[in-house]
Amino acid sequence: ETGVTQTPRHLVMGMTNKKSLKCEQHLGHNAMYWYKQSAKKPLELMFVYNFKEQTENNSVPSRFSPECPNSSHLFLHLHTLQPEDSALYLCASSQERREGEQFFGPGTRLTVL
Amino acid sequence: LAKTTQPISMDSYEGQEVNITCSHNNIATNDYITWYQQFPSQGPRFIIQGYKTKVTNEVASLFIPADRKSSTLSLPRVSLSDTAVYYCLVGDRPTTSGTYKYIFGTGTRLKVLA
Repeated sequence: ETGVTQTPRHLVMGMTNKKSLKCEQHLGHNAMYWYKQSAKKPLELMFVYNFKEQTENNSVPSRFSPECPNSSHLFLHLHTLQPEDSALYLCASSQERREGEQFFGPGTRLTVL
Repeated sequence: LAKTTQPISMDSYEGQEVNITCSHNNIATNDYITWYQQFPSQGPRFIIQGYKTKVTNEVASLFIPADRKSSTLSLPRVSLSDTAVYYCLVGDRPTTSGTYKYIFGTGTRLKVLA
């Protein structure tokens, strides 16, 4: 247990569906991150939130919409995804302005049919 | 952003010491070097971090030469459960927010054999 939880752990959705991924951290951190990990590819940073404000968007398509209502919760809203969006989506948190350690959740394995 | 280069894969036997070297020629003055471990279908887990010389914790040691253009993660007496992907990271801090941002490479896939 890293103190970062993600739900659901597995998700199968059609291309026309709308779903959301949830991440919660119990560590008192104020920075949260979404990463995407596709098969045989490096982790790709998608979004960064710092004190609820989005500070990074790595050219992510608009069909991925993040939301950070407070420093403990992070959502990734999904709509009209493509099969190539199938991947492991990982959430992480860290203490802002502290070098180093990001704590990762277990991830959500997403399959888009 | 400093890019890292590390071997794609390594094999070792149980009980051996494993050294994984990472190259980061363009490391910036303020950058730290961080290593993560990832098991299949799990999120990466922090192993160790350092800035220069040597850092040791209960899990590993990190050796960084004076020029900081490379680093070596040393895992003493590996076991089968150390089979994982190991990532070497050099961070970069966006100027607008100060949030620390990592770029993950492909990592080194370590396989420990019995």
